[in-house]
Amino acid sequence: EDQVTQSPEALRLQEGESSSLNCSYTVSGLRGLFWYRQDPGKGPEFLFTLYSAGEEKEKERLKATLTKKESFLHITAPKPEDSATYLCAVQARGSLGSQGNLIFGKGTKLSVKP
Amino acid sequence: NAGVTQTPKFQVLKTGQSMTLQCAQDMNHEYMSWYRQDPGMGLRLIHYSVGAGITDQGEVPNGYNVSRSTTEDFPLRLLSAAPSQTSVYFCASSYGRDGYGYTFGSGTRLTVV
Repeated sequence: EDQVTQSPEALRLQEGESSSLNCSYTVSGLRGLFWYRQDPGKGPEFLFTLYSAGEEKEKERLKATLTKKESFLHITAPKPEDSATYLCAVQARGSLGSQGNLIFGKGTKLSVKP
Repeated sequence: NAGVTQTPKFQVLKTGQSMTLQCAQDMNHEYMSWYRQDPGMGLRLIHYSVGAGITDQGEVPNGYNVSRSTTEDFPLRLLSAAPSQTSVYFCASSYGRDGYGYTFGSGTRLTVV
């Protein structure tokens, strides 16, 4: 069964304190791994797509990496405006039609204090 | 460019009532889907569509119906609302091909009493 597990569930950081969020996955065949940011009361906002082990992508203070079993979202020198829930999702190879579906983890709620 | 538009933003229903959640996108995306988000459960797929006239069930389809008569619209119907359907509902769209990011609507918060 395809599955995505995120850890920790919640993370509190001081402004400037770098850290990483983890996303472990099991999938029959990976088409893509996605990271989203979700602010309270809003829909998820797309951040990155990673396709293969060893791939890295960066956006401002965020850097996403991918191995064959997990992905990390590294946050460097975070600011209070980085506070949000970060969601990880995988897109698995499957029968025609279901190939577009995303399987989400439960998310990591990040709080950055000034 | 509006993206994905969901209406209404909030709704309260009585048990047994029916209603339709609306979703429209203006990006000419082939793939559209409905998710529900519950505390501690993450986002779970209800139904999806890979193009006009084609729909299929996701992980939690019971109690919901969908149709896709146009590329732009993908409404979600609750046939007879139950308290277990209290949730936040998100519509999403994508080109549906390798790695394309999904665009989500802002959600509908539904309460069934």
